[in-house]
Amino acid sequence: GAGVSQTPSNKVTEKGKYVELRCDPISGHTALYWYRQSLGQGPEFLIYFQGTGAADDSGLPNDRFFAVRPEGSVSTLKIQRTERGDSAVYLCASSQQGGTEAFFGQGTRLTVV
Amino acid sequence: GESVGLHLPTLSVQEGDNSIINCAYSNSASDYFIWYKQESGKGPQFIIDIRSNMDKRQGQRVTVLLNKTVKHLSLQIAATQPGDSAVYFCAEKNRGDMRFGAGTRLTVKP
Repeated sequence: GAGVSQTPSNKVTEKGKYVELRCDPISGHTALYWYRQSLGQGPEFLIYFQGTGAADDSGLPNDRFFAVRPEGSVSTLKIQRTERGDSAVYLCASSQQGGTEAFFGQGTRLTVV
Repeated sequence: GESVGLHLPTLSVQEGDNSIINCAYSNSASDYFIWYKQESGKGPQFIIDIRSNMDKRQGQRVTVLLNKTVKHLSLQIAATQPGDSAVYFCAEKNRGDMRFGAGTRLTVKP
């Protein structure tokens, strides 16, 4: 079956621009996570959705970052006024409600130039 | 704040030997502790988990040990193979929220 899909796989944008990163979770998975990973580091928690609502958004670094999941399936991570420090791989994962096994996508590599 | 961390950033073992990867945690309220494996260019992949009220769990070639007294988690890989070379992360889950540590890079020498 289909796994977690993230698009685009690579995104290069100019400093100050707006970007959207998309995550298609596994069908039926109610939990959805966004992480940011820099080279040589572990995934840094950004936000966790349970259904349509953000159960925990404490990892979003500032108000330039925002994420939505309007119908409880696809999620979009939005970054305004991008900065070079936003460059990283953005990972999305989904899991069944109450499950411990999260399935990750391949990630979106964001480069801000 | 509360965090999950690792004792060693790198580990090199001979093919066929056993590997032990360690992790320290600080959040006693976590429900589950989980090990993930990440190969280059890929997202993390679930290996095994352990509930907070257990102290040992075995899978295929892997064993996870949880010592709540000293807040320590370990992953043991038996008969390590070249395909086990990757970065290993421990993660803790608290009511759905899942946080990762920094990772240990395991290199298997032929």
